[in-house]
Amino acid sequence: GDSVTQMEGPVTLSEEAFLTINCTYTATGYPSLFWYVQYPGEGLQLLLKATKADDKGSNKGFEATYRKETTSFHLEKGSVQVSDSAVYFCALSEGAGNQFYFGTGTSLTVIP
Amino acid sequence: NAGVTQTPKFQVLKTGQSMTLQCAQDMNHNSMYWYRQDPGMGLRLIYYSASEGTTDKGEVPNGYNVSRLNKREFSLRLESAAPSQTSVYFCATQSPVLYTGELFFGEGSRLTVL
Repeated sequence: GDSVTQMEGPVTLSEEAFLTINCTYTATGYPSLFWYVQYPGEGLQLLLKATKADDKGSNKGFEATYRKETTSFHLEKGSVQVSDSAVYFCALSEGAGNQFYFGTGTSLTVIP
Repeated sequence: NAGVTQTPKFQVLKTGQSMTLQCAQDMNHNSMYWYRQDPGMGLRLIYYSASEGTTDKGEVPNGYNVSRLNKREFSLRLESAAPSQTSVYFCATQSPVLYTGELFFGEGSRLTVL
């Protein structure tokens, strides 16, 4: 069945450091891929998405490229800020009912 | 524009008690979902509703029931709460774009069962 595996956390970085959070997936078809972010005490909100191979999603300085050959959708940001501290979830969606499959989440803390 | 509203935000129950989590959306979306979030396990789908009048089981439906009262509202009921149901519950709706539709989440309902 479909699944998403993402990098274990927690991750702690200094402000302005480079961020990579790895995400790989297993899917039977051609899924859409997503990154969601959850700030403390809030629900999840969409950060970026990509709907087909080689697409690059981007938002707020974050980027991720849909790599079909490596079944990956790694999240990157060149210079993190304290306000980026949150939990990040990789997800995919395909098939009837538009079900989503989420990774377990990666907690990021950025220190000044 | 409230988006997705969940009530209550916090609840403490004793084992065996019942309760209903309410979810309402003003986004005019057809599809609605209930997830639970547990440490180290990500989000797991409990039930979903593709449209008014239809509901389907997700990955972890045991111990729960749902009602899609109308297009706006989708409630989750625990008939006899158990400590294993201690979790954070999220309601979500989905924009109508097939396969690529974004999920919109409520702020969550934090439930503790003693």
